Amino acid sequence: QQQVRQSPQSLTVWEGETAILNCSYENSAFDYFPWYQQFPGEGPALLIAIRSVSDKKEDGGFTIFFNKREKNLSLHIKDSQPGDSATYFCAASANNNRIFFGDGTQLVVKP
Amino acid sequence: GPKVLQIPSHQIIDMGQMVTLNCDPVSNHLYFYWYKQILGQQMEFLVNFYNGKVMEKSKLFKDQFSVERPDGSYFTLKIQPTALEDSAVYFCASSSGTGRNERLFFGHGTKLSVL
Repeated sequence: QQQVRQSPQSLTVWEGETAILNCSYENSAFDYFPWYQQFPGEGPALLIAIRSVSDKKEDGGFTIFFNKREKNLSLHIKDSQPGDSATYFCAASANNNRIFFGDGTQLVVKP
Repeated sequence: GPKVLQIPSHQIIDMGQMVTLNCDPVSNHLYFYWYKQILGQQMEFLVNFYNGKVMEKSKLFKDQFSVERPDGSYFTLKIQPTALEDSAVYFCASSSGTGRNERLFFGHGTKLSVL
């Protein structure tokens, strides 16, 4: 059973637009939600993360909106740049248990 | 920032052969992981390792797979024998602990091609 689901599978936006990447999860025990960014030929790297006690987390142009009741969250990339083109993984974990990754959203930002 | 190094970056072998993927984790990290990725998506957890032991493994971690880190050297993933479906990119990761929500640091991956 897929623990973390992401949509869309791929997303194309124009430079300067806000890209919105969605994520939902099944396990109510999940309390930590990191987003990892992966460029081609590299490993994923932590971008931003939120804990379930918060409903919003901002870092630079990246914002996570979290809805605990609906068990979903979204990553907003404001003023997208071509350099933001990458695959974004939503992940989730509960306490000290392992991290579950979603299938990723491939983002393309066109100049 | 901290770096995880993986050697080699690409390995091509014939089906049935043995292969060892090497990982040099971040120096003061204690927990080590292997993930399998196919077609640039689906980061599939294989195994995590701490204090010389496998802590948790997934169904993908078949009997042909083994991990070890002898004497603080490379953290290795060995596949013996290999199968065609083992072709993928394998990512090693490390973290300083499983204290609350530890950040994983990933290597650049080893692309394994089984012919």
